[in-house]
Amino acid sequence: DTEVTQTPKHLVMGMTNKKSLKCEQHMGHRAMYWYKQKAKKPPELMFVYSYEKLSINESVPSRFSPECPNSSLLNLHLHALQPEDSALYLCASSQASGNTGELFFGEGSRLTVL
Amino acid sequence: GENVEQHPSTLSVQEGDSAVIKCTYSDSASNYFPWYKQELGKGPQLIIDIRSNVGEKKDQRIAVTLNKTAKHFSLHITETQPEDSAVYFCAASGGYTGGGNKLTFGTGTQLKVEL
Repeated sequence: DTEVTQTPKHLVMGMTNKKSLKCEQHMGHRAMYWYKQKAKKPPELMFVYSYEKLSINESVPSRFSPECPNSSLLNLHLHALQPEDSALYLCASSQASGNTGELFFGEGSRLTVL
Repeated sequence: GENVEQHPSTLSVQEGDSAVIKCTYSDSASNYFPWYKQELGKGPQLIIDIRSNVGEKKDQRIAVTLNKTAKHFSLHITETQPEDSAVYFCAASGGYTGGGNKLTFGTGTQLKVEL
Protein backbone atom coordinates (compact mmCIF):
# COMPACT_ATOMS: atom_id res chain seq x y z
CA ASP A 1 0.00 0.00 0.00
CA THR A 2 1.68 3.22 -1.18
CA GLU A 3 -1.16 5.59 -0.45
CA VAL A 4 -1.58 8.71 1.61
CA THR A 5 -5.28 9.25 2.26
CA GLN A 6 -6.68 12.68 3.03
CA THR A 7 -10.17 13.58 4.24
CA PRO A 8 -12.27 15.46 3.48
CA LYS A 9 -11.55 16.09 -0.21
CA HIS A 10 -13.46 19.38 -0.07
CA LEU A 11 -14.27 21.63 2.87
CA VAL A 12 -16.14 24.93 3.04
CA MET A 13 -16.04 26.81 6.31
CA GLY A 14 -16.85 30.18 7.72
CA MET A 15 -14.29 32.36 9.47
CA THR A 16 -15.66 31.47 12.91
CA ASN A 17 -15.80 27.71 12.36
CA LYS A 18 -13.51 25.05 13.76
CA LYS A 19 -12.71 22.14 11.46
CA SER A 20 -9.99 19.54 10.98
CA LEU A 21 -8.21 17.97 8.05
CA LYS A 22 -7.08 14.37 8.41
CA CYS A 23 -4.30 12.36 6.82
CA GLU A 24 -3.46 8.68 7.11
CA GLN A 25 -0.69 6.43 5.78
CA HIS A 26 0.12 2.78 6.35
CA MET A 27 3.54 2.59 4.73
CA GLY A 28 5.40 2.61 8.04
CA HIS A 29 6.71 6.09 7.34
CA ARG A 30 7.85 8.07 10.37
CA ALA A 31 7.91 11.56 8.83
CA MET A 32 4.71 13.37 7.87
CA TYR A 33 4.15 16.77 6.31
CA TRP A 34 1.57 19.44 5.69
CA TYR A 35 1.89 21.62 2.60
CA LYS A 36 -0.30 24.48 1.38
CA GLN A 37 -0.74 25.03 -2.35
CA LYS A 38 -2.40 28.03 -3.97
CA ALA A 39 -3.55 27.90 -7.56
CA LYS A 40 -0.70 27.87 -10.11
CA LYS A 41 1.90 27.90 -7.33
CA PRO A 42 4.25 25.27 -5.90
CA PRO A 43 3.50 23.52 -2.61
CA GLU A 44 4.68 25.50 0.41
CA LEU A 45 5.87 23.60 3.46
CA MET A 46 3.92 24.28 6.65
CA PHE A 47 4.83 21.58 9.18
CA VAL A 48 7.00 18.48 9.46
CA TYR A 49 6.65 15.73 12.05
CA SER A 50 9.45 13.25 12.56
CA TYR A 51 8.79 10.29 14.87
CA GLU A 52 5.57 12.03 16.03
CA LYS A 53 7.48 15.12 17.12
CA LEU A 54 7.15 18.49 15.43
CA SER A 55 10.49 19.18 13.74
CA ILE A 56 9.59 22.09 11.44
CA ASN A 57 7.04 24.89 11.74
CA GLU A 58 7.53 27.31 8.87
CA SER A 59 6.22 30.29 10.86
CA VAL A 60 2.64 29.24 10.25
CA PRO A 61 -0.08 31.36 11.96
CA SER A 62 -1.50 29.82 15.12
CA ARG A 63 -4.94 29.49 13.52
CA PHE A 64 -3.43 26.34 11.98
CA SER A 65 -2.68 23.71 14.63
CA PRO A 66 -1.06 20.40 13.64
CA GLU A 67 -1.33 17.19 15.59
CA CYS A 68 0.30 13.79 15.12
CA PRO A 69 -1.59 11.31 17.36
CA ASN A 70 0.46 8.33 16.16
CA SER A 71 2.86 7.33 13.42
CA SER A 72 0.06 6.74 10.88
CA LEU A 73 -2.10 9.80 11.46
CA LEU A 74 -1.68 13.52 10.96
CA ASN A 75 -4.31 16.16 11.62
CA LEU A 76 -4.50 19.86 10.86
CA HIS A 77 -6.91 21.75 13.11
CA LEU A 78 -8.34 24.94 11.64
CA HIS A 79 -9.82 27.83 13.61
CA ALA A 80 -10.68 31.43 12.79
CA LEU A 81 -9.32 31.17 9.26
CA GLN A 82 -9.26 34.00 6.75
CA PRO A 83 -10.45 33.91 3.13
CA GLU A 84 -6.81 34.04 1.98
CA ASP A 85 -6.30 30.66 3.66
CA SER A 86 -8.39 29.08 0.93
CA ALA A 87 -6.08 26.63 -0.83
CA LEU A 88 -5.30 22.97 -1.47
CA TYR A 89 -3.79 21.40 1.64
CA LEU A 90 -1.51 18.49 0.88
CA CYS A 91 -0.32 15.83 3.27
CA ALA A 92 2.81 13.80 2.54
CA SER A 93 4.88 11.13 4.23
CA SER A 94 8.39 9.74 3.94
CA GLN A 95 10.67 7.32 5.69
CA ALA A 96 12.28 9.30 8.46
CA SER A 97 15.72 7.80 8.03
CA GLY A 98 17.91 10.43 6.43
CA ASN A 99 16.82 13.78 5.08
CA THR A 100 16.41 12.85 1.41
CA GLY A 101 13.66 10.27 1.43
CA GLU A 102 10.96 10.23 -1.26
CA LEU A 103 7.82 12.12 -0.31
CA PHE A 104 4.50 10.46 -1.08
CA PHE A 105 1.68 12.97 -1.43
CA GLY A 106 -2.03 12.57 -0.89
CA GLU A 107 -4.63 14.01 -3.27
CA GLY A 108 -5.19 16.99 -1.01
CA SER A 109 -8.08 18.67 0.79
CA ARG A 110 -9.46 21.69 -1.03
CA LEU A 111 -10.41 24.31 1.55
CA THR A 112 -12.65 27.29 0.90
CA VAL A 113 -13.02 29.92 3.63
CA LEU A 114 -16.03 32.18 3.26
CA GLY B 1 17.75 28.58 3.04
CA GLU B 2 17.44 26.86 -0.32
CA ASN B 3 16.08 28.70 -3.36
CA VAL B 4 15.08 26.81 -6.51
CA GLU B 5 14.40 28.53 -9.83
CA GLN B 6 12.63 26.74 -12.68
CA HIS B 7 12.26 27.54 -16.39
CA PRO B 8 10.25 27.75 -18.51
CA SER B 9 6.97 28.45 -16.75
CA THR B 10 5.01 27.13 -19.73
CA LEU B 11 6.09 24.74 -22.47
CA SER B 12 4.10 23.64 -25.48
CA VAL B 13 5.38 20.81 -27.70
CA GLN B 14 4.03 18.65 -30.47
CA GLU B 15 3.33 15.02 -29.71
CA GLY B 16 6.50 12.99 -30.27
CA ASP B 17 8.84 15.92 -29.65
CA SER B 18 11.15 16.23 -26.66
CA ALA B 19 10.62 18.53 -23.70
CA VAL B 20 13.32 19.97 -21.44
CA ILE B 21 12.77 21.74 -18.12
CA LYS B 22 15.65 23.36 -16.24
CA CYS B 23 16.19 24.19 -12.58
CA THR B 24 18.90 25.89 -10.57
CA TYR B 25 19.42 25.74 -6.83
CA SER B 26 21.38 27.82 -4.35
CA ASP B 27 22.35 25.62 -1.38
CA SER B 28 25.55 23.67 -2.06
CA ALA B 29 24.54 21.26 0.74
CA SER B 30 21.54 20.02 -1.27
CA ASN B 31 22.04 16.48 -2.50
CA TYR B 32 18.57 15.20 -3.45
CA PHE B 33 16.70 16.44 -6.52
CA PRO B 34 13.27 14.95 -7.26
CA TRP B 35 10.85 15.83 -10.03
CA TYR B 36 7.11 15.75 -9.44
CA LYS B 37 4.23 15.66 -11.91
CA GLN B 38 0.93 17.17 -10.82
CA GLU B 39 -2.23 16.59 -12.82
CA LEU B 40 -5.27 18.78 -12.38
CA GLY B 41 -7.05 18.08 -9.10
CA LYS B 42 -4.42 15.63 -7.88
CA GLY B 43 -1.44 15.64 -5.55
CA PRO B 44 2.13 15.75 -6.85
CA GLN B 45 3.55 12.38 -7.90
CA LEU B 46 7.26 11.59 -8.02
CA ILE B 47 8.38 10.70 -11.55
CA ILE B 48 12.15 10.54 -11.11
CA ASP B 49 14.83 11.67 -8.68
CA ILE B 50 18.58 11.97 -8.62
CA ARG B 51 21.14 12.16 -5.86
CA SER B 52 24.34 14.12 -5.92
CA ASN B 53 26.59 11.11 -6.40
CA VAL B 54 25.03 10.51 -9.84
CA GLY B 55 25.23 12.79 -12.90
CA GLU B 56 22.41 11.28 -14.95
CA LYS B 57 19.51 8.91 -14.45
CA LYS B 58 17.07 7.51 -16.98
CA ASP B 59 13.73 5.76 -16.71
CA GLN B 60 12.20 4.89 -20.07
CA ARG B 61 11.23 8.21 -21.72
CA ILE B 62 12.30 10.34 -18.76
CA ALA B 63 15.84 11.37 -17.83
CA VAL B 64 17.34 13.77 -15.35
CA THR B 65 20.81 15.31 -15.43
CA LEU B 66 22.64 17.02 -12.60
CA ASN B 67 25.57 19.43 -12.68
CA LYS B 68 26.60 20.02 -9.06
CA THR B 69 29.36 22.44 -9.99
CA ALA B 70 26.94 24.73 -11.77
CA LYS B 71 24.10 23.91 -9.34
CA HIS B 72 21.60 23.03 -12.01
CA PHE B 73 19.57 19.99 -12.99
CA SER B 74 17.25 19.25 -15.88
CA LEU B 75 14.33 16.99 -16.79
CA HIS B 76 14.20 15.52 -20.28
CA ILE B 77 11.06 13.86 -21.65
CA THR B 78 11.39 12.18 -25.03
CA GLU B 79 8.61 11.07 -27.40
CA THR B 80 6.06 13.18 -25.55
CA GLN B 81 2.47 11.98 -25.40
CA PRO B 82 -0.76 13.86 -24.58
CA GLU B 83 -0.85 12.20 -21.15
CA ASP B 84 2.43 13.93 -20.31
CA SER B 85 0.47 17.21 -20.17
CA ALA B 86 0.62 18.39 -16.54
CA VAL B 87 2.50 20.74 -14.22
CA TYR B 88 6.03 19.60 -13.41
CA PHE B 89 7.90 20.72 -10.29
CA CYS B 90 11.57 20.32 -9.56
CA ALA B 91 12.72 20.31 -5.95
CA ALA B 92 15.89 20.16 -3.87
CA SER B 93 16.78 19.12 -0.33
CA GLY B 94 19.58 17.82 1.83
CA GLY B 95 20.74 20.85 3.75
CA TYR B 96 18.33 20.32 6.68
CA THR B 97 19.19 17.59 9.17
CA GLY B 98 16.62 18.12 11.90
CA GLY B 99 14.23 15.31 10.95
CA GLY B 100 12.29 14.74 7.76
CA ASN B 101 13.02 15.83 4.20
CA LYS B 102 12.72 19.61 3.84
CA LEU B 103 12.00 19.91 0.14
CA THR B 104 12.08 23.29 -1.59
CA PHE B 105 10.06 23.33 -4.80
CA GLY B 106 10.65 25.23 -8.01
CA THR B 107 7.90 27.44 -9.41
CA GLY B 108 6.56 24.80 -11.79
CA THR B 109 6.29 24.28 -15.54
CA GLN B 110 2.95 23.80 -17.29
CA LEU B 111 3.67 21.30 -20.07
CA LYS B 112 1.15 20.98 -22.88
CA VAL B 113 1.58 18.26 -25.48
CA GLU B 114 -0.42 19.04 -28.59
CA LEU B 115 -1.67 16.50 -31.09
